[in-house]
Amino acid sequence: AQTVTQSQPEMSVQEAETVTLSCTYDTSESNYYLFWYKQPPSRQMILVIRQEAYKQQNATENRFSVNFQKAAKSFSLKISDSQLGDTAMYFCARGADGLTFGKGTHLIIQP
Amino acid sequence: EPEVTQTPSHQVTQMGQEVILRCVPISNHLYFYWYRQILGQKVEFLVSFYNNEISEKSEIFDDQFSVERPDGSNFTLKIRSTKLEDSAMYFCASRWETDTQYFGPGTRLTVL
Repeated sequence: AQTVTQSQPEMSVQEAETVTLSCTYDTSESNYYLFWYKQPPSRQMILVIRQEAYKQQNATENRFSVNFQKAAKSFSLKISDSQLGDTAMYFCARGADGLTFGKGTHLIIQP
Repeated sequence: EPEVTQTPSHQVTQMGQEVILRCVPISNHLYFYWYRQILGQKVEFLVSFYNNEISEKSEIFDDQFSVERPDGSNFTLKIRSTKLEDSAMYFCASRWETDTQYFGPGTRLTVL
């Protein structure tokens, strides 16, 4: 089975700090995509950032960036200048069609 | 900004009853998906649908489940005879030809 592993069930940081959420995955495919989704208490799934596996350059979206290590099958999310509104569950996902999700990291931003 | 919509937001049903969950994907999208999330657990892929047929399905998607795109806008998930373990949040998602799937707000299904 192709799996996605998020080893941090919960993380807590102070507002304005930088935090990194880890994700590793297993795949036999050569072309795939990686995603981070945010799920606030409303349970809506919101796309945070995406990475194409064939691109070496790490994706960046404003305060969110990834560290993609293809050989190590690692895809971590860095949130800079964290804000209270960043408090949510964060899911890493991999796939080309049906996505495989990790179990999630509950991120708490403390005021 | 276009978005995926789902109805109802919450459905309560008795075990053994049939339910239909409805989704309206983003209008120019071509690929459609259903996922479920049991409370406190990860999101699990159920099925993908393209060109009016199932393109991929998981082992969860057994004969109790079916999907349909009855017209040009709706995409439905039917559970024929609900079980207690079907209680979950069900998410619809859609995408165009690019890879990014956009999720709806979910339907919370409670089976009593």
